[in-house]
Amino acid sequence: NAGVTQTPKFRVLKTGQSMTLLCAQDMNHEYMYWYRQDPGMGLRLIHYSVGEGTTAKGEVPDGYNVSRLKKQNFLLGLESAAPSQTSVYFCASSPGGTGSHEQYFGPGTRLTVT
Amino acid sequence: QQPVQSPQAVILREGEDAVINCSSSKALYSVHWYRQKHGEAPVFLMILLKGGEQKGHEKISASFNEKKQQSSLYLTASQLSYSGTYFCGTDGSNYGQNFVFGPGTRLSVLP
Repeated sequence: NAGVTQTPKFRVLKTGQSMTLLCAQDMNHEYMYWYRQDPGMGLRLIHYSVGEGTTAKGEVPDGYNVSRLKKQNFLLGLESAAPSQTSVYFCASSPGGTGSHEQYFGPGTRLTVT
Repeated sequence: QQPVQSPQAVILREGEDAVINCSSSKALYSVHWYRQKHGEAPVFLMILLKGGEQKGHEKISASFNEKKQQSSLYLTASQLSYSGTYFCGTDGSNYGQNFVFGPGTRLSVLP
């Protein structure tokens, strides 16, 4: 089992460019999450999904969109990148709601917007 | 609302003990603990649920005071490998709609 994988691992964008981050999990988990982590900070939830075809906003959703067309994949899109979106992005999955289930994290994507 | 963690940072010598605290201003259903090493992803340590159920690593010890909305993580006889940033996460329900991580506690274990 690969667990949770993220593509790409590093990316540099110019302001205004767009990109999509891919998260894939092979554990048949229902829930998936996208977080961002700024230097020296905790993790902040961007969007999450409680199942295939569903998405919901987290704490900091502005400037991002997501899609969950397949159960195993969760995509995070930046339509028009801004320097404030420079961060490390982590994807996670869990078998059920975080009320009683642990999250498994991917290795992260380091994004720099110049 | 983000939980509060204390201390913000702690430095230990190998073999010493440490306690990391997490508190919330709202009623909690569960508290999670994760450890993140520099440049790596967070790794699950433990979940403490309302009612007393716990899930996690056998070598990790933690407590959850439901009435005070507080949790503590106990690191005993610390090893070099314990170094990292410890995050608590809290959820007010079983459905995971309100989960939020704390700001983290940086732990450094020196030889």
